[in-house]
This record gives sequence, structure tokens and C-alpha cells, in this order.
Amino acid sequence: DTGVSQDPRHKITKRGQNVTFRCDPISEHNRLYWYRQTLGQGPEFLTYFQNEAQLEKSRLLSDRFSAERPKGSFSTLEIQRTEQGDSAMYLCASSWAGQVHGYTFGSGTRLTVV
Amino acid sequence: GEDVEQSLFLSVREGDSSVINCTYTDSSSTYLYWYKQEPGAGLQLLTYIFSNMDMKQDQRLTVLLNKKDKHLSLRIADTQTGDSAIYFCAESPPSNTGKLIFGQGTTLQVKP
Repeated sequence: DTGVSQDPRHKITKRGQNVTFRCDPISEHNRLYWYRQTLGQGPEFLTYFQNEAQLEKSRLLSDRFSAERPKGSFSTLEIQRTEQGDSAMYLCASSWAGQVHGYTFGSGTRLTVV
Repeated sequence: GEDVEQSLFLSVREGDSSVINCTYTDSSSTYLYWYKQEPGAGLQLLTYIFSNMDMKQDQRLTVLLNKKDKHLSLRIADTQTGDSAIYFCAESPPSNTGKLIFGQGTTLQVKP
């Protein structure tokens, strides 16, 4: 297992377009998290899944954002009608429920909305 | 409220010790973490401390926790140029979600 993989690494899109990102967690991990990181800030929690169930969503996750984890393995994060304020690094992380020593993060997808 | 604060920048000379400080607000947080982020990369877990401990040492890293003041620090001994990065502290509120609250990060610059 090579860790948490995110695809694509970079995405440039025009305002108003839809984008979708993918995250492949470490295979035995049942929890998957999405965070957003803007320039000069720490990551901010967006949502998390335990297996295929989405158990918590931040108020940062407007109705233009949707995340899925259909089979409890990989996850997708879709942003509809992108805005310039959506430009950020989107980070995915995974862990085993009850694991206390932090998660494993992916390298992130950097989104630029022009 | 949930707020983790860090100083933004620290510059040291190679071979010196670095001390990065963090304050957190949720006194009931169970674990506190230090992550490292290099340019263009994700976050790498460096170390963590359980809230009932006051110190943890791991090779060149020493974490000190003052629960009374809600203050966490990370000391890097014999700092190297490869330690140049952004360092984030994070707290884990007492829920079953595993959600982390991160500070805004401290940029460590190591001069040769």
C-alpha cells in the first residue's frame, strides 16, 4: 500500500464549471476525511466518512459541495458552479476508527479557479 | 470555541534548537498533534501527546504540554536545513469523529 492517493494533483478550472476530485485511502482504513487548506492557513475540516456513511459535515461545506464514498473505499469530492473562493488545496486523509496517533494525509489536490 | 493559535514564523541557525509554540482552547481535547508540511506536499505526522502527559520525547523532538495554560510546544534539537517547513499543531476534541482542529502553522526557516 503506497499511502493515501489523490487525483489530480492540480486542477485549473473556469469559474462556474464543475470539478471532481478523487481520494484513494489506505486500504484497511475505514475512516476518510476531507479538509480544505487555503494559503497561509491550517487545514479546515470539511467532512468525514466511516465506511460508506458520511457522518459529519462542516458548515464550510455549502450545497455546491458533495462528497461520496459509495463502497467504503475511494471517495470523490465534487464542487459545482465553482467560485474563485473555492481556490484552495483539498486534502484527504484516512485512519482506522479509534486510532489515536493521527491520520495519514494525501498530497492534496490544488484547485485554482480563474 | 475551537481555536488553535501559533506564531507565524521562526528563523534559526543550523545546529540550534527550535521551539515552536501553540495554544489551544478546548481543555477537554484528548490528544494533541504536531504535523509537518513541506512545500507542495501533504501533512506528515511528527508526533502526538496524550492530554494526561506533560512531556514526550522522540529522538530530536520534545513535546511539552501545559494543560493548565493550554500551551503546547515542539522543540527540535540540532535543527537541520531539512527541517525547514511549516509546522502545524492540532487538537482532537473529545468526540468519536477523529476530527482535528489545526492552527494556522508556523513557518520554520533554518539558515545554514
